[in-house]
Amino acid sequence: EAGVAQSPRYKIIEKRQSVAFWCNPISGHATLYWYQQILGQGPKLLIQFQNNGVVDDSQLPKDRFSAERLKGVDSTLKIQPAKLEDSAVYLCASGTPGQNTDTQYFGPGTRLTVL
Amino acid sequence: AQSVAQPEDQVNVAEGNPLTVKCTYSVSGNPYLFWYVQYPNRGLQFLLKYITGDNLVKGSYGFEAEFNKSQTSFHLKKPSALVSDSALYFCAVRDRGAGGYIKLIFGAGTRLAVHP
Repeated sequence: EAGVAQSPRYKIIEKRQSVAFWCNPISGHATLYWYQQILGQGPKLLIQFQNNGVVDDSQLPKDRFSAERLKGVDSTLKIQPAKLEDSAVYLCASGTPGQNTDTQYFGPGTRLTVL
Repeated sequence: AQSVAQPEDQVNVAEGNPLTVKCTYSVSGNPYLFWYVQYPNRGLQFLLKYITGDNLVKGSYGFEAEFNKSQTSFHLKKPSALVSDSALYFCAVRDRGAGGYIKLIFGAGTRLAVHP
């Protein structure tokens, strides 16, 4: 079974620039999550999709972050414009919660450095 | 709100010795608890979870965790550490978002260093 794919793996940008990350979840997983992991901290949920609908974006800085999940499969997370404090690893995960399992499967992450 | 705490930033242990990585939780209702491991430049990997039943949960790579309700703890353990166990370990608790959907709340992580 193929895992969660993410690209790019690394990105370096200047502040105020824009950046986009891509995620392809495990086939058949209805739920997709984007997390932000700042160095020295645990992952923090930014947004959660159920199929192609947003079910939780309470911690997404909506003035600069946006995300979409077209056709309920792949997803993109965008930051525009980026700030220094956005430097972090952005993790995508997928799963099938509610079917007697809460396990989430994580991709390798995208490490963003904002200069 | 549900939360977990990992009181140690780093744990050092000699290869072959038993290891313990600590986690305490604060929840309303029954806790659903998880352990994940993160190797360098990799995503998080699921190790084990506690939903209900036996207080000792066995997981991947020889790890196990002990659920203790009276101490509100869910410590990760392994009888004999390997150098390859060196990684970042996260404890997590299940929560529900505003829409009632399941999500995970992670602790800050504990770095495990196993020395030869």
